[in-house]
Amino acid sequence: AQSVTQPDIHITVSEGASLELRCNYSYGATPYLFWYVQSPGQGLQLLLKYFSGDTLVQGIKGFEAEFKRSQSSFNLRKPSVHWSDAAEYFCAVGAVENQGGKLIFGQGTELSVKP
Amino acid sequence: KAGVTQTPRYLIKTRGQQVTLSCSPISGHRSVSWYQQTPGQGLQFLFEYFSETQRNKGNFPGRFSGRQFSNSRSEMNVSTLELGDSALYLCASSPPGSGRADTQYFGPGTRLTVL
Repeated sequence: AQSVTQPDIHITVSEGASLELRCNYSYGATPYLFWYVQSPGQGLQLLLKYFSGDTLVQGIKGFEAEFKRSQSSFNLRKPSVHWSDAAEYFCAVGAVENQGGKLIFGQGTELSVKP
Repeated sequence: KAGVTQTPRYLIKTRGQQVTLSCSPISGHRSVSWYQQTPGQGLQFLFEYFSETQRNKGNFPGRFSGRQFSNSRSEMNVSTLELGDSALYLCASSPPGSGRADTQYFGPGTRLTVL
């Protein structure tokens, strides 16, 4: 079955420190992978996506993610976290079913930033 | 371009009532998907519409329904509301594609509270 796992429910990092959020997926075919961010009371904003090609993808707000097929992972990284990065982060895999598409989301990782 | 808009942003209903939520996609986007977000179940796919046809459906009871109009605007309806229907309902639109899991752009959501 298709699934996405984000092992860390909550992470706290100090401002200026590096960040890595983990994501593992289970999908039979070539995955389409996404990271979204959600601030409290808001919708989801796309950070970056991987469809094919270079396994290291750059996104907005200084985020990047690396696709590792052998590990079924798509971890999100940022070299230096800012207080405004505090939010919930969702990893998702795009699935194709019944001629249509849908996203399967992980449970999310809540990021807190210490001053 | 204007983003995905959803109305209303907040809604309070009582058990047994029905509710209709509206979503206007990004101009030029023809696919609209709906998701339910709750603290317990996370983000779950409800259904997807493309060119006024439901193309994909998630595992929700028949009380949840939707439709899409010729201008790509979409509505979802929930009949006989239950307390467990309290959630943030997110709409997402995708640019024209081949039915694959194209990038989805999300609206701010409608917060539904059932009393």
